[in-house]
Amino acid sequence: DQQVKQNSPSLSVQEGRISILNCDYTNSMFDYFLWYKKYPAEGPTFLISISSIKDKNEDGRFTVFLNKSAKHLSLHIVPSQPGDSAVYFCAASTGANSKLTFGKGITLSVRP
Amino acid sequence: NAGVTQTPKFQVLKTGQSMTLQCAQDMNHEYMSWYRQDPGMGLRLIHYSVGAGITDQGEVPNGYNVSRSTTEDFPLRLLSAAPSQTSVYFCASSNSGKVAKNIQYFGAGTRLSVL
Repeated sequence: DQQVKQNSPSLSVQEGRISILNCDYTNSMFDYFLWYKKYPAEGPTFLISISSIKDKNEDGRFTVFLNKSAKHLSLHIVPSQPGDSAVYFCAASTGANSKLTFGKGITLSVRP
Repeated sequence: NAGVTQTPKFQVLKTGQSMTLQCAQDMNHEYMSWYRQDPGMGLRLIHYSVGAGITDQGEVPNGYNVSRSTTEDFPLRLLSAAPSQTSVYFCASSNSGKVAKNIQYFGAGTRLSVL
């Protein structure tokens, strides 16, 4: 039973436009959510996170929105740049335990 | 600051062989974990440790063994390699539950092929 779902395996956007990456979860005990970015042949790197007490967190071009009632979060990248082309993983955790549950990832391609 | 270091970067094994994937971190992190990444499967947790001397199973622990004798090191042992263990393995660490809540820092990975 997949608790964190990234249902779209890939997304292609034009440079300068907005990229919206979606993530759904089923476990209502999740209270902390993270997005990781991964380039080929490298380890995932932390991008942005949000606590369940918030509905939005912004860091430069990256904004994460959380809709707890819908158990849905999204990552917005504005404007998108070719260097953003990577695999993006959504992850979630409960309480103070650092154990993370990851989604399958979505491959973002930003076209010049 | 090296962060999380994994060795080796690549490894080819024959079925039935054993080996140890090494992971070391220099950030004095309490929490360490091992994941495997397979196509279309995302990252799946194998084993994790919340501190020296304490380990626990994750989602896919079968065929793997771990120990945590020091804060810095968290090796992953394959006791008898099988083709199903062909994967990319990532080690991660975090300063559990403190300022950077639950943010895990990953190594560059070990690509393992079992023939």
